[in-house]
Amino acid sequence: EAGVAQSPRYKIIEKRQSVAFWCNPISGHATLYWYQQILGQGPKLLIQFQNNGVVDDSQLPKDRFSAERLKGVDSTLKIQPAKLEDSAVYLCASSPAYYNSPLHFGNGTRLTVT
Amino acid sequence: GENVEQHPSTLSVQEGDSAVIKCTYSDSASNYFPWYKQELGKGPQLIIDIRSNVGEKKDQRIAVTLNKTAKHFSLHITETQPEDSAVYFCAASKEGSQGNLIFGKGTKLSVKP
Repeated sequence: EAGVAQSPRYKIIEKRQSVAFWCNPISGHATLYWYQQILGQGPKLLIQFQNNGVVDDSQLPKDRFSAERLKGVDSTLKIQPAKLEDSAVYLCASSPAYYNSPLHFGNGTRLTVT
Repeated sequence: GENVEQHPSTLSVQEGDSAVIKCTYSDSASNYFPWYKQELGKGPQLIIDIRSNVGEKKDQRIAVTLNKTAKHFSLHITETQPEDSAVYFCAASKEGSQGNLIFGKGTKLSVKP
């Protein structure tokens, strides 16, 4: 099966600019996640969608980050305005809707904010 | 909230030797413990997972053990090969919140030929 697709692979922007990342989950996976991985650390959950509804966004900095999942398939994550500390790899993951199913991660988008 | 500690941060072994990575967690409600392997420039890949009703699980050269009383779990890789070189992450989550994985900081494993 095709894996989780993410684009772009790399992005360099200046602070205060905006940026958007795109994710296409594995076909049929109802649950989609965005994780942030800062260099040298493990990933941290930003937001979780079940179909097109938000399940958990408690760790999403909502003053600058937003995410949507229209039609319950693809998703976009946006940062506006970006800060230096947003430099990280943004990972998208998906899983089937059933209980206790493992997460499948994409290869991520590496964001550098200068 | 949950906190996952992982040790060591780096591990170097000779090809054919065994490697052991240990993690501890703080929240006794956690019941799902996956291990991920991350190669350079790639996303984490699930290699094995264990749930709280099981003490040990094995898959070929990889095994995971869980001690719920002590709140720690370990990854064991036997007969290591150069292609096992990567960063390994442990994680923990609670029932009903399985997608909210709390990750350790990772262990960089180097297998020398």
